[in-house]
Amino acid sequence: NAGVTQTPKFRILKIGQSMTLQCTQDMNHNYMYWYRQDPGMGLKLIYYSVGAGITDKGEVPNGYNVSRSTTEDFPLRLELAAPSQTSVYFCASSYSGKANEQFFGPGTRLTVL
Amino acid sequence: GESVGLHLPTLSVQEGDNSIINCAYSNSASDYFIWYKQESGKGPQFIIDIRSNMDKRQGQRVTVLLNKTVKHLSLQIAATQPGDSAVYFCAENFGNMLTFGGGTRLMVKP
Repeated sequence: NAGVTQTPKFRILKIGQSMTLQCTQDMNHNYMYWYRQDPGMGLKLIYYSVGAGITDKGEVPNGYNVSRSTTEDFPLRLELAAPSQTSVYFCASSYSGKANEQFFGPGTRLTVL
Repeated sequence: GESVGLHLPTLSVQEGDNSIINCAYSNSASDYFIWYKQESGKGPQFIIDIRSNMDKRQGQRVTVLLNKTVKHLSLQIAATQPGDSAVYFCAENFGNMLTFGGGTRLMVKP
């Protein structure tokens, strides 16, 4: 299994541009999550999904959108990039929804200039 | 709002010594707590967790202690090795969401 994969690894955006961060897992996990991590800080939950077709807001959802059309994929969309969205983005998945069973991807480093 | 935080941003220890990383939490309704290790350029890696009805749990070279009276969580690493150098985060779980603390960087001197 490849586990949780994220693309791209790095990206620089201009203010107002849009982009989609891709996340795929091949473990048939029901639960998937998107976090952001600012320098020297812990992770903050943006959105999560408990299964295909179901998404819910986390702690910091403003400025982001998600969709979950398949079990494997959970893309994160930024419509109008802002400097405040400069961060490292981590996708995670778990089978049962238990936080101690979350597998994290390698992250996407996004810079908005 | 309620949050999880850490006392020490950086901890430097000699190889072979024991390390103790501390964390304070404020949400008394959290049902369990987790310690993560994050190496540079990687995602967090689960180390150990503890349920709110426990006060101690041991793993391989690691022990987590939970003091609900003072809302304090600690991670003890025995015989610290160079490979333990990383940033350590505590997190508390309530419902479907994790709340992370700010992280402590552990540096192991050879």
